[in-house]
Amino acid sequence: QSVLTQPPSVSAAPGQKVTISCSGSSSNIGNNYVSWYQQLPGTAPKLLIYDNNKRPSGIPDRFSGSKSGTSATLGITGLQTGDEADYYCGTWDSSLSAGAVFGTGTKVTVL
Amino acid sequence: QLQLQESGSGLVKPSQTLSLTCAVSGGSISSGGYSWSWIRQPPGKGLEWIGYIYHSGSTYYNPSLKSRVTISVDRSKNQFSLKLSSVTAADTAVYYCARRGWLQEFDYWGQGTLVTVSS
Repeated sequence: QSVLTQPPSVSAAPGQKVTISCSGSSSNIGNNYVSWYQQLPGTAPKLLIYDNNKRPSGIPDRFSGSKSGTSATLGITGLQTGDEADYYCGTWDSSLSAGAVFGTGTKVTVL
Repeated sequence: QLQLQESGSGLVKPSQTLSLTCAVSGGSISSGGYSWSWIRQPPGKGLEWIGYIYHSGSTYYNPSLKSRVTISVDRSKNQFSLKLSSVTAADTAVYYCARRGWLQEFDYWGQGTLVTVSS
């Protein structure tokens, strides 16, 4: 049972923009760094965003991250067919059941 | 370029112990500031963090799995391992090893290995 809630799916046409929300609480997103991962079908997750809004080397600037309070958002602009994947947010939870936690996952479909 | 590769048994009987190893290449497992994690993903479901270990041997486990999990490190072989005891069908999943960075991100992942629990 994930403590981070994401919409199950989002979709848009090629070239358009999508945003994916990740809702948590003060014990996780509110006081910890947020990262985002892209999981293409049949492959391992890949780091897209870390430290709330930073991109690792090689990740295009079409991907962006932000955090406000106990929620975080991933944005993808100039949507491409190759962006069709599952996306997960992640952070640390400092509650009694402390540990790394992931969001429920969002399937991005390019129409 | 850092690479991680999981290996181990792909089929485990119920009540037995699942054992996996993650070989790290292209970098040292003793690099300061990083921890080495196991994460799993049941078929068609989301990601679940299992635990991590530092090169010093310090460990931290998911509280929901803590009673059954042991993660160890072999610095001489540049690898770390996972043991999960008393497995059931609910432990069937793709198991990934990953490096956890300074800012809590998982920046390098193995390709994953499917472990099926079945008699």
